[in-house]
Amino acid sequence: AQTVTQSQPEMSVQEAETVTLSCTYDTSESDYYLFWYKQPPSRQMILVIRQEAYKQQNATENRFSVNFQKAAKSFSLKISDSQLGDAAMYFCAYRRGGAQKLVFGQGTRLTINP
Amino acid sequence: DAGVIQSPRHEVTEMGQEVTLRCKPISGHDYLFWYRQTMMRGLELLIYFNNNVPIDDSGMPEDRFSAKMPNASFSTLKIQPSEPRDSAVYFCASSPDYYSYNEQFFGPGTRLTVL
Repeated sequence: AQTVTQSQPEMSVQEAETVTLSCTYDTSESDYYLFWYKQPPSRQMILVIRQEAYKQQNATENRFSVNFQKAAKSFSLKISDSQLGDAAMYFCAYRRGGAQKLVFGQGTRLTINP
Repeated sequence: DAGVIQSPRHEVTEMGQEVTLRCKPISGHDYLFWYRQTMMRGLELLIYFNNNVPIDDSGMPEDRFSAKMPNASFSTLKIQPSEPRDSAVYFCASSPDYYSYNEQFFGPGTRLTVL
């Protein structure tokens, strides 16, 4: 079974600084997709960024980028120029190609210090 | 579009009572998912539907849980009888079609407390 591990239960960063959240996953599949979701205090799960495993180029969405290391099965999220509104729980998720089920990590709580 | 709508946002009930959670997916989305979030188990998929048909219910914890989707715009998750260990946040999500790259759009969740 596929598993997703987020080894950092909590992280904190100064406003305007850069922070990297770690995620590793375990799979024997070659076709899969990876996602980072944000859950602010409002509880709403919001997609931040996604990556297709067959693409070597790392995904980027404005201040958010990933470092996808397929051989190492690592999928870290980098947030540049951190803003107070980035404070939230961040979840890494995996989906096997052709499947619908999302497998989530345990989450990392990110605090932004003003 | 209003996004995925869930009701109620909060539910407090006593052990043994029946609880019904409701979800309205985004119009035109073919897939609907029910997730449960707890501190101990994190986010886990309970069941999902494709075009109103249940496809995978392997995550449903036990027979006390049931889910239905009578039409494309409405789904329910029912717990009968409820137990304190069912206390959690229950999310409904929908996605447009088959492709694995597609985003799942989540509702705001229902926080269930069983006393």
